[in-house]
Amino acid sequence: GAGVSQSPSNKVTEKGKDVELRCDPISGHTALYWYRQSLGQGLEFLIYFQGNSAPDKSGLPSDRFSAERTGGSVSTLTIQRTQQEDSAVYLCASSLSSRAAYPLNEQFFGPGTRLTVL
Amino acid sequence: KNEVEQSPQNLTAQEGEFITINCSYSVGISALHWLQQHPGGGIVSLFMLSSGKKKHGRLIATINIQEKHSSLHITASHPRDSAVYICAVSEVVGSARQLTFGSGTQLTVLP
Repeated sequence: GAGVSQSPSNKVTEKGKDVELRCDPISGHTALYWYRQSLGQGLEFLIYFQGNSAPDKSGLPSDRFSAERTGGSVSTLTIQRTQQEDSAVYLCASSLSSRAAYPLNEQFFGPGTRLTVL
Repeated sequence: KNEVEQSPQNLTAQEGEFITINCSYSVGISALHWLQQHPGGGIVSLFMLSSGKKKHGRLIATINIQEKHSSLHITASHPRDSAVYICAVSEVVGSARQLTFGSGTQLTVLP
């Protein structure tokens, strides 16, 4: 079956512009996660959705970052007034559930969106 | 916050060598993941384990819960194994199961 897909694969934008990154999780997966990998840095958690529960936004670096998940499926990560330090690869992952034990909470990653802010 | 440390940061091996990458973490976890990231950024989940040992092809992952340590082994390494290998741990934070990532090990296998 299809894996996690993300679009666009690459995005170049100017400082101060808004960007939207899209994630299509694996069908039937109730949990969806956004991560960021800055150049030379490790991966960091941004935000997480589980079903219809309120999202866990504890990893968002500033209020310029927001995400929504419509209909429990597709998610959009929005970065407003982009800054150069926002340049990174943004990764999305999904799992059948986040609250269950292995293997239901195993995360499957998308290919990422490489964002470059000039 | 759980700290995840990997070693070595960089590893160069000759084709055919046996490779070991280590991962240590600081607090209790629900599971440990080994991920592979190829140039271009895509991430593949190799293993998810909470105890003992798992094997898939030439890859073997072990975990020692008491010592808070895991190892990833690659037998008969091949140039196509060249990638960044990332250790990540799942903690239960409230009701979320987020991943905390190590900094990765860059593996280069030379022909």
